[in-house]
Amino acid sequence: LAKTTQPISMDSYEGQEVNITCSHNNIATNDYITWYQQFPSQGPRFIIQGYKTKVTNEVASLFIPADRKSSTLSLPRVSLSDTAVYYCLVGDMWNSGGYQKVTFGIGTKLQVIP
Amino acid sequence: DAGITQSPRYKITETGRQVTLMCHQTWSHSYMFWYRQDLGHGLRLIYYSAAADITDKGEVPDGYVVSRSKTENFPLTLESATRSQTSVYFCASSEPGQGPEQYFGPGTRLTVT
Repeated sequence: LAKTTQPISMDSYEGQEVNITCSHNNIATNDYITWYQQFPSQGPRFIIQGYKTKVTNEVASLFIPADRKSSTLSLPRVSLSDTAVYYCLVGDMWNSGGYQKVTFGIGTKLQVIP
Repeated sequence: DAGITQSPRYKITETGRQVTLMCHQTWSHSYMFWYRQDLGHGLRLIYYSAAADITDKGEVPDGYVVSRSKTENFPLTLESATRSQTSVYFCASSEPGQGPEQYFGPGTRLTVT
């Protein structure tokens, strides 16, 4: 399993863009990078997944450099409701048709300040 | 409504008692998972199941028992609860070929006194 490192916590003011970087130096060729969001008292929720370059959806963007040893989750113009824990996962959950364990880790606690 | 539900949402039990946490999903996902979440440890996988009657250990299976007689249900049993099993437990489901997402339930907060 690829080990990931991300900041334990971050603070941001409302309206700012927030970038959360995840390091994964030993990422394997088949591994994807997946981010989940967890609001207080709720289960995690899938946000975005990518393999290389840039992926964007209605919630966030994911930037992955060519060496894939890190990735950055970008949240545009955050609001108070974006206060949550963000998890970076590296792996290929359905590699070879069967489940391959992925690790959630501790995540990054983002606090959005008014 | 379709989704994944857990019951009970809150439970207080005494050391040594048996307690079962229930998980039910309506999507007919083949895979189901149990995680525990503790401060400083994030989410850790306890057990998972690939289909009815197929289960496998995760990172922290000791002290837990699972069964899956029906695709939609995946109960987690603590046969003799200990204080170290005080935690928030999340159930999740997923389906190969439908994307990388695991869909999580709302969680059960278990306190063992």
